[in-house]
Amino acid sequence: DAGVTQSPTHLIKTRGQQVTLRCSPKSGHDTVSWYQQALGQGPQFIFQYYEEEERQRGNFPDRFSGHQFPNYSSELNVNALLLGDSALYLCASSLGQEETQYFGPGTRLLVL
Amino acid sequence: AQKVTQAQTEISVVEKEDVTLDCVYETRDTTYYLFWYKQPPSGELVFLIRRNSFDEQNEISGRYSWNFQKSTSSFNFTITASQVVDSAVYFCALSELRSSGSARQLTFGSGTQLTVLP
Repeated sequence: DAGVTQSPTHLIKTRGQQVTLRCSPKSGHDTVSWYQQALGQGPQFIFQYYEEEERQRGNFPDRFSGHQFPNYSSELNVNALLLGDSALYLCASSLGQEETQYFGPGTRLLVL
Repeated sequence: AQKVTQAQTEISVVEKEDVTLDCVYETRDTTYYLFWYKQPPSGELVFLIRRNSFDEQNEISGRYSWNFQKSTSSFNFTITASQVVDSAVYFCALSELRSSGSARQLTFGSGTQLTVLP
């Protein structure tokens, strides 16, 4: 039973660039949520996708956008990168209204 | 707004000691879920437990146990006979039930770094 997978594992970008992170949900799951975890802090909710639509969004600027594909996989895009965007980006999947979210290994983004 | 507080930033114990991680939450909803996740150095959040706000029964799973008390808005986590492999950051999280029935985000505490020394 494949768990949540994310790619890439690590990424280095410079300020002003754009980045795309990818997530494949756990087998059988249809809902994907994205979180940002700064060093030494708890994860912060970015947004959630279900049925290819953004269903809920946290307190993040429009530079953060996403997409969900028909196979339930998802992408997180961040434009005009800032130094403060350096963080661990976590993807979590769940089954519809099922409450338990299962997390992937994350993508570590460093913005120089 | 919902909020989760983990007042213990770091805890260090010697192997085989019992340790309790505290979690206090705030929510205006009467229906919600509480979670504990473990984050080892690799970074992946590992799901440990989920509790429904209607179920205040304590739960035990091996060396792990959880004490949910609505009266004090607390959901504490105890590890009995701790082991070195228990060393990790532990997060408590809250999820409120939305009236639309969709998109329940997790609100996390700031985490407790547990170090178990041999």
